[in-house]
Amino acid sequence: DAGVIQSPRHEVTEMGQEVTLRCKPISGHDYLFWYRQTMMRGLELLIYFNNNVPIDDSGMPEDRFSAKMPNASFSTLKIQPSEPRDSAVYFCAMSDGNNEQFFGPGTRLTVL
Amino acid sequence: KQEVTQIPAALSVPEGENLVLNCSFTDSAIYNLQWFRQDPGKGLTSLLLIQSSQREQTSGRLNASLDKSSGRSTLYIAASQPGDSATYLCAVRLSQGGSEKLVFGKGTKLTVNP
Repeated sequence: DAGVIQSPRHEVTEMGQEVTLRCKPISGHDYLFWYRQTMMRGLELLIYFNNNVPIDDSGMPEDRFSAKMPNASFSTLKIQPSEPRDSAVYFCAMSDGNNEQFFGPGTRLTVL
Repeated sequence: KQEVTQIPAALSVPEGENLVLNCSFTDSAIYNLQWFRQDPGKGLTSLLLIQSSQREQTSGRLNASLDKSSGRSTLYIAASQPGDSATYLCAVRLSQGGSEKLVFGKGTKLTVNP
């Protein structure tokens, strides 16, 4: 997890509440990825950015999910309103375009 | 649609044994394949990356091979140790349009018993 910082590490919320997950990427790595991991579906790409611009958001499950990267040092993934089926571990990952991806420690989200 | 499968889902071996983890993918048009390790409650750590033009990569006791035409990769772990216990995931990077997208298998959970 080569320097990618995610916060919070754990989040428990009630259905209907807004959830914001944060990622502080590695400097000098131009690609940022948001993944979701569940037992049933494994690890799935939600969206990725290149130089702060969203490139592929085809994995975003529905309009309740949104992601932003206002600058090279910060990204957010927001769920509004949250539902129990959104419970998962959400990972942020970085790449410098030379192929390897480096993952953060993840945020474990529980929606009651 | 690219699908990645890892068999078995779980594997338990005694310490010192050599073992092979398998990964298969449905579309051979890949840019590269990457093996990761995931410890409980942690993120993924990259182990080995094989470009589509390569046949294998080695790092210490780990050796990964790639047979793109048959859609298969293996991760060989020599002289396994309890510290190797983790979930191992493989992921392929799609080759179309310069995409950076990775498609992951669901992983093989390895337990090495002392």
